[in-house]
Amino acid sequence: DAGVIQSPRHEVTEMGQEVTLRCKPISGHDYLFWYRQTMMRGLELLIYFNNNVPIDDSGMPEDRFSAKMPNASFSTLKIQPSEPRDSAVYFCASSVPQGFGAFFGQGTRLTVV
Amino acid sequence: AQSVTQLGSHVSVSEGALVLLRCNYSSSVPPYLFWYVQYPNQGLQLLLKYTSAATLVKGINGFEAEFKKSETSFHLTKPSAHMSDAAEYFCAVTDSGGYNKLIFGAGTRLAVHP
Repeated sequence: DAGVIQSPRHEVTEMGQEVTLRCKPISGHDYLFWYRQTMMRGLELLIYFNNNVPIDDSGMPEDRFSAKMPNASFSTLKIQPSEPRDSAVYFCASSVPQGFGAFFGQGTRLTVV
Repeated sequence: AQSVTQLGSHVSVSEGALVLLRCNYSSSVPPYLFWYVQYPNQGLQLLLKYTSAATLVKGINGFEAEFKKSETSFHLTKPSAHMSDAAEYFCAVTDSGGYNKLIFGAGTRLAVHP
């Protein structure tokens, strides 16, 4: 398996633009997580899905952020409109149930100017 | 809610020296615990995990960790540091609301000097 695949690896956009980050989880994994990593706040869980259904989105910072999982092999995280404070590395991770640990993608480094 | 405290944001050791990275968790029920490593510009890689079996857990790259319930600790050790161990290390615990949601510590950056 190729692991969790995220695209793009880097994204530079202007403030106010819409940004879409993409993730393909490991086949057979029931859980998908979106994390954000910054120097100031460390790793924050934004939202996670179980069998394509959002379970906990309490970490989504505000309404500008939205996430979808239309099927078991694809998820998106959208920011609209983007702001400079959204600049961070966004990670997608997937796992099987029962606490076996999550497997992370390489991340998308987002810079909003 | 669960929380994880990693003591020391930066640790520096000499090559060949013992590595000890500290992690304490808050939990009223036995959690699942994990250590992850992150190399520059990379994602997080699972080093090892504790899931209520043996309290001493061996992971990849010669690392191991011991679960001590009485101390609510899960410290990561390696007998002899290698230059390639320089990275950031994260301790994580499963949330009490579900064993699939991970709560991460702030991370410890390990530097290894020749």
